[in-house]
Amino acid sequence: GAGVSQSPRYKVAKRGQDVALRCDPISGHVSLFWYQQALGQGPEFLTYFQNEAQLDKSGLPSDRFFAERPEGSVSTLKIQRTQQEDSAVYLCASSSGQGGNQPQHFGDGTRLSIL
Amino acid sequence: GNSVTQMEGPVTLSEEAFLTINCTYTATGYPSLFWYVQYPGEGLQLLLKATKADDKGSNKGFEATYRKETTSFHLEKGSVQVSDSAVYFCALSGTNTGTASKLTFGTGTRLQVTL
Repeated sequence: GAGVSQSPRYKVAKRGQDVALRCDPISGHVSLFWYQQALGQGPEFLTYFQNEAQLDKSGLPSDRFFAERPEGSVSTLKIQRTQQEDSAVYLCASSSGQGGNQPQHFGDGTRLSIL
Repeated sequence: GNSVTQMEGPVTLSEEAFLTINCTYTATGYPSLFWYVQYPGEGLQLLLKATKADDKGSNKGFEATYRKETTSFHLEKGSVQVSDSAVYFCALSGTNTGTASKLTFGTGTRLQVTL
């Protein structure tokens, strides 16, 4: 596609439910990132994939968070047993290269609300 | 670790006024620097970037110069328009490959331009 696509755009879940957020990066982009953006804050790094390999998951806040990119394209971020503090906008970004000077292209995000 | 500090908002200006949004950073090595913009209801968009000291990034009338001696990357525009109203994020990434390319963001500065 022309840009990074995320779905759903909005997700409401009850505390304790599991959720899955999808990211479809720009075709051919090697690098894929997930970020979490709390209200009024800048995005914070969660995890990074290079193709299908998850090279950095140091930003995942707990073992309830899990991400995968099995075929090196679409990625899914899964949150198990959701808590209210998980409410945030989850952003996916992709870039064509692996270097830090490559700009990242962001999707519109998934706004997650936990009741 | 890496960090980015931005001036707090909101910044309110009249149309055609001069804009400066301050950004300073702390990082090891030689990071790449970025400004991203988030218009209401939209995702993050890359505004401009600079990858080495003394580089000037520019786009849509906005400029920022990578100042290594002051570890700064201030955003400027000579004459703002109402359509520039948005949240602006300063960010940095490492120049190495892989995990160093994750972005570290500031907290964002909201700009409101009035007629």
